[in-house]
Amino acid sequence: SQQGEEDPQALSIQEGENATMNCSYKTSINNLQWYRQNSGRGLVHLILIRSNEREKHSGRLRVTLDTSKKSSSLLITASRAADTASYFCATDASQAGTALIFGKGTTLSVSS
Amino acid sequence: DTAVSQTPKYLVTQMGNDKSIKCEQNLGHDTMYWYKQDSKKFLKIMFSYNNKELIINETVPNRFSPKSPDKAHLNLHINSLELGDSAVYFCASSQAGGRAEAFFGQGTRLTVV
Repeated sequence: SQQGEEDPQALSIQEGENATMNCSYKTSINNLQWYRQNSGRGLVHLILIRSNEREKHSGRLRVTLDTSKKSSSLLITASRAADTASYFCATDASQAGTALIFGKGTTLSVSS
Repeated sequence: DTAVSQTPKYLVTQMGNDKSIKCEQNLGHDTMYWYKQDSKKFLKIMFSYNNKELIINETVPNRFSPKSPDKAHLNLHINSLELGDSAVYFCASSQAGGRAEAFFGQGTRLTVV
């Protein structure tokens, strides 16, 4: 069963601009995570935000979580060509929290 | 050292064949997973193994069977391969299930012809 839905599905920006991706989910969660996937590679964990947190930063990444709206956003500031990838949100809202359920992802293209 | 390694990276095979994909993690994690990523990049959880016990089996055909000889290994065996099985399969591991970050292998691109 799918839990997260990201939007937009695709995003194209210029280097130096900010990129914002959104994720909505359906059921209660313990945490929400964001992952990046470069073309032809595995997923790499970016950041985890717990249900009692509202905002978290990691370098150029800023994640917010609104549990009342069941939504999260990932902001990448001052984007670079190397940020070109697919970005997925994932929640632990599965049976006993024993697996991550991923959304469909946002494909980000950053052109120089 | 690679944290989660899976082999082979590419697998091309004919319909009806049986094949296996191997996965090993050296992180000491207690949970391992198999995900299937289709051509639209949608990631679907197939199996979750916690301390060698199957926790989730998400409506996956019984032609797919996970085998875990020990806590560090979770192999995927597929019988009677079908064209629709073509996808990228990812192995992953984490500590404490979905409550911690997961580490993914590089993926196995399976093509059934």
